[in-house]
Amino acid sequence: KAGVTQTPRYLIKTRGQQVTLSCSPISGHRSVSWYQQTPGQGLQFLFEYFSETQRNKGNFPGRFSGRQFSNSRSEMNVSTLELGDSALYLCASSWGLAGGLYNEQFFGPGTRLTVL
Amino acid sequence: KQEVTQIPAALSVPEGENLVLNCSFTDSAIYNLQWFRQDPGKGLTSLLLIQSSQREQTSGRLNASLDKSSGRSTLYIAASQPGDSATYLCAVQDPVGGSEKLVFGKGTKLTVNP
Repeated sequence: KAGVTQTPRYLIKTRGQQVTLSCSPISGHRSVSWYQQTPGQGLQFLFEYFSETQRNKGNFPGRFSGRQFSNSRSEMNVSTLELGDSALYLCASSWGLAGGLYNEQFFGPGTRLTVL
Repeated sequence: KQEVTQIPAALSVPEGENLVLNCSFTDSAIYNLQWFRQDPGKGLTSLLLIQSSQREQTSGRLNASLDKSSGRSTLYIAASQPGDSATYLCAVQDPVGGSEKLVFGKGTKLTVNP
């Protein structure tokens, strides 16, 4: 079956612009999480959605937002881009049900965002 | 606050060697622990998931163990191959509010030399 897909794969933006990234989870998965990966900070949790509701949120400024649609696809938006937002943005999906193997998370290939 | 540490940060071994990667976490109240592999510029590939009630999981040449009480996990790779070269990441899931948030270590960059 198809894995997690993310679009676009690469983005170049300038400071002050906004950007929207998209994630399509594995078929049947209802939980989608987003992570930011940078060389200095490693992988940091942004937010998690389950059945169109935000279930958890990381410690990022309000410029970072997300949403999930009824088909479980998710988007994240970053407004007023800063140089420090340059990173690999990864999304992960899982069944989202409590416990064990239902929580195994599968990651997409990521979107590489460069802010100039 | 959960913190995950991976030692060593980098490891270089000759082909065929057996090796162990270490992961430690500060809070033993975890749901499960997952090991991932990441190739340069790519996403994460799930290798093994160990549920909190389990002690180990095996997949091919990989064996992961979990000791919740001491806050440690190890990933054992048998008969390493050049294709195993990648960064290996350990992540724990905290059972807070039903969330599936993963807390990651910084990873161990493995190089297997032919």
